[in-house]
Amino acid sequence: AQKITQTQPGMFVQEKEAVTLDCTYDTSDPSYGLFWYKQPSSGEMIFLIYQGSYDQQNATEGRYSLNFQKARKSANLVISASQLGDSAMYFCAMREGGTGGFKTIFGAGTRLFVKA
Amino acid sequence: EADIYQTPRYLVIGTGKKITLECSQTMGHDKMYWYQQDPGMELHLIHYSYGVNSTEKGDLSSESTVSRIRTEHFPLTLESARPSHTSQYLCASSDVLRDHETQYFGPGTRLLVL
Repeated sequence: AQKITQTQPGMFVQEKEAVTLDCTYDTSDPSYGLFWYKQPSSGEMIFLIYQGSYDQQNATEGRYSLNFQKARKSANLVISASQLGDSAMYFCAMREGGTGGFKTIFGAGTRLFVKA
Repeated sequence: EADIYQTPRYLVIGTGKKITLECSQTMGHDKMYWYQQDPGMELHLIHYSYGVNSTEKGDLSSESTVSRIRTEHFPLTLESARPSHTSQYLCASSDVLRDHETQYFGPGTRLLVL
């Protein structure tokens, strides 16, 4: 069974608009961490934002926010005021277990296209 | 900002050659990882290490081998390269006690085996 599911292979957004990238996860572990990464065409993976399973508030980092709905097991990434430089692949990831957990599992990714 | 380095960035090599992809990090992280990724596709974990003298195979079977003799260094070796090894290889590291164990990635090595 897929542990991390990103159902949108590709998304388009108009420059300066907000966009939501979906991510659902599956775990029975009460302690886990959720991450989003950006991968531009140059290939490097850039860490964007982190949400812990016990965090009460949704994580925010600049224009990035994570819409964490624990009961639905979803951790959607919201990018506000999209910029052309946001065009990239975006990967959702989950680390099961507390700190020292076994490994991090990545989703298949969503490619975001920002239109001028 | 992550301080993790990979060399070479690009490599074109003939079938049967032995190659070593270098990965170094200056953050003192205990855990290190190697991922294989085809363009625009998901990442596949091929090797990881919990610390010096610790290496484990990942989810994706790989003909490569790794070593961890020093904390900062985690090279990946292919004894005999084949066209099926053509891919991007990403190295990452994390700290069990810091940053929620966030993995920080190097810039990647794009390998083409002819």
